[in-house]
Order: sequence, then C-alpha cells, then structure tokens
Amino acid sequence: GNSVTQMEGPVTLSEEAFLTINCTYTATGYPSLFWYVQYPGEGLQLLLKATKADDKGSNKGFEATYRKETTSFHLEKGSVQVSDSAVYFCALAGGSSNTGKLIFGQGTTLQVKP
Amino acid sequence: ETGVTQTPRHLVMGMTNKKSLKCEQHLGHNAMYWYKQSAKKPLELMFVYSLEERVENNSVPSRFSPECPNSSHLFLHLHTLQPEDSALYLCASSQEYIGRNTGELFFGEGSRLTVL
Repeated sequence: GNSVTQMEGPVTLSEEAFLTINCTYTATGYPSLFWYVQYPGEGLQLLLKATKADDKGSNKGFEATYRKETTSFHLEKGSVQVSDSAVYFCALAGGSSNTGKLIFGQGTTLQVKP
Repeated sequence: ETGVTQTPRHLVMGMTNKKSLKCEQHLGHNAMYWYKQSAKKPLELMFVYSLEERVENNSVPSRFSPECPNSSHLFLHLHTLQPEDSALYLCASSQEYIGRNTGELFFGEGSRLTVL
C-alpha cells in the first residue's frame, strides 16, 4: 500500500541555518504530495503541495519539489527562524487507488534556537 | 466563525466515564475525519464520514463511537476508555472524500484527552 517515510527527528538548528527534512514515498500511479505543519498547541495546517512530477510547492519561504524518479518530496528552507519551530508532516493522497485517504509520515520535530 | 472548531480542548476522564468530543466545521465541506495523534506515532486515521455516511472505520475499538448528524458536525463518543487512549484527537474536514478531493484537509486544534 501507499506509505510515507520521513527522517527521524528532532532536528535542531540555529536561527538562519539551512533546513532540509527528507521525505520519500511509496505509491502506485501519480499521487499528490503535501507538507503539513503543526505549531505547538495547534492542529495541522497545510504548508505546501505539489500535484504532479517536477512541480515545486512553496509557501512562507519553504519549498519542496516532487521528484518521481527518486520518489521524494524533501522540504527545504534557506534560513529558518525561531517561529518555524514545529512538527512537519509529509503526506500523500491519490495515486492509482484514488481514495480520499491522506497518508501521513510520522512527523519531524524542528527546533530552532536563537 | 470560520474553520474547524473542536470542544473541549482538554478533557480528563476516568475509565468508567462517558464523554463526547465535538467538532464543527464552517467551511461547507462534505467530508469529516477523526484522527488520533499519540506521542512518537504517526497520525492514525480513525473514522471518515462523507455526506454524513461513515466510509472508513479503521479497526477502531468499539469504546470509540462516532456520530455525524449533519455535514457540519461530528462527534466522538467515549466510553470505558483505557489509559493508552490518552492522546490528542484531531478533527478535520475536506471538500470531498473521493474524486474531487484535493488531499487538502483543514484541521481543528484538537482535543487533548487524558484517561486516568
């Protein structure tokens, strides 16, 4: 079945450092890919998405490119801020199964220190 | 009010209590979801309702009983819970469940449940 694997956390960075959170997926067909973010004490919210191969999703300085050849959707940001401290979830939906189910990775905690 | 609202935000209950979690969405969506979020575990999809009909029930114990009286409201009735059921319960909604679903879910802030 479809699945998503994220790098283990927590990831601890200093402010203004470069961020990469790895995400790889297993799916048949052409799923859509997503990054969700959960700030402390809140629910998840969509950060960015890409619906087809080579698409780049971007939002709030974060980017991720849908790489079908490597089945990856790594999240990057050039300069993180303390306010980016949160849990980040990679997810996929669709593909050949075409159900409404959104499959989440286990989440990666990011801690940014001043 | 907009978005997805969950009440209560925090709940402490004994194993013999009966309580309910409530979710309300003001987005005009047709699908609603319950997820369980436990520490160091992936999000677990519990139930999905599409147009008030349950379409997914992922092997959830019967001590959790969902109810969807209309497309804007979703409840999770809790009875005879165990300490390992302590978790953050997240409600979400989406425009549609199958076909037109873009995969974008709108989440509430969650109900933090502690079972003593």
